[in-house]
Amino acid sequence: AQSVTQLDSQVPVFEEAPVELRCNYSSSVSVYLFWYVQYPNQGLQLLLKYLSGSTLVKGINGFEAEFNKSQTSFHLRKPSVHISDTAEYFCAVTPSGGYNKLIFGAGTRLAVHP
Amino acid sequence: EPEVTQTPSHQVTQMGQEVILRCVPISNHLYFYWYRQILGQKVEFLVSFYNNEISEKSEIFDDQFSVERPDGSNFTLKIRSTKLEDSAMYFCASGGNANTEAFFGQGTRLTVV
Repeated sequence: AQSVTQLDSQVPVFEEAPVELRCNYSSSVSVYLFWYVQYPNQGLQLLLKYLSGSTLVKGINGFEAEFNKSQTSFHLRKPSVHISDTAEYFCAVTPSGGYNKLIFGAGTRLAVHP
Repeated sequence: EPEVTQTPSHQVTQMGQEVILRCVPISNHLYFYWYRQILGQKVEFLVSFYNNEISEKSEIFDDQFSVERPDGSNFTLKIRSTKLEDSAMYFCASGGNANTEAFFGQGTRLTVV
């Protein structure tokens, strides 16, 4: 079975500052890893994914994440945030070798202040 | 750009009533999913559907729940006798094949009163 831990439930940050949202996972098999964003009153939008290959993955809206197998982490980063990045961010995993059900973390609320 | 469409966006129902949540997946997708998100909690997997049958379901997906793809375009989730604790946002998702990510709809907010 897989599990996902998002270490911070809320992250406040000032506009134009860098941010890191932390995600750790547990799995006995190889996994695919994802970050989704949920803007207020909207659905889930894929930010980026790691399937294989380069451990540094770039996504939409200037976000990137790095897969670290030894630390079982997949932290999300952005060098300079905007007010519009205020949203809930979810890390998710699924066993690799096929797209199966997603196991989500509890989410991190990113609040960007002017 | 193709997208997953869910209707209605918000449904209010009385406890004990049956509800059907509707989804139109992306047209050439083969894998279909329902997830739910109780307010303030994590998104939880309910069920996956492939080749006209359930491929996997969670412990949440008990006999009160059923899914159907009645006409080759819609994908529905039925809750037979709603309970207060069924109040949640329900997300439909679809995927093109087993190796691609799922695309999510905007969700249906179900409120059971």
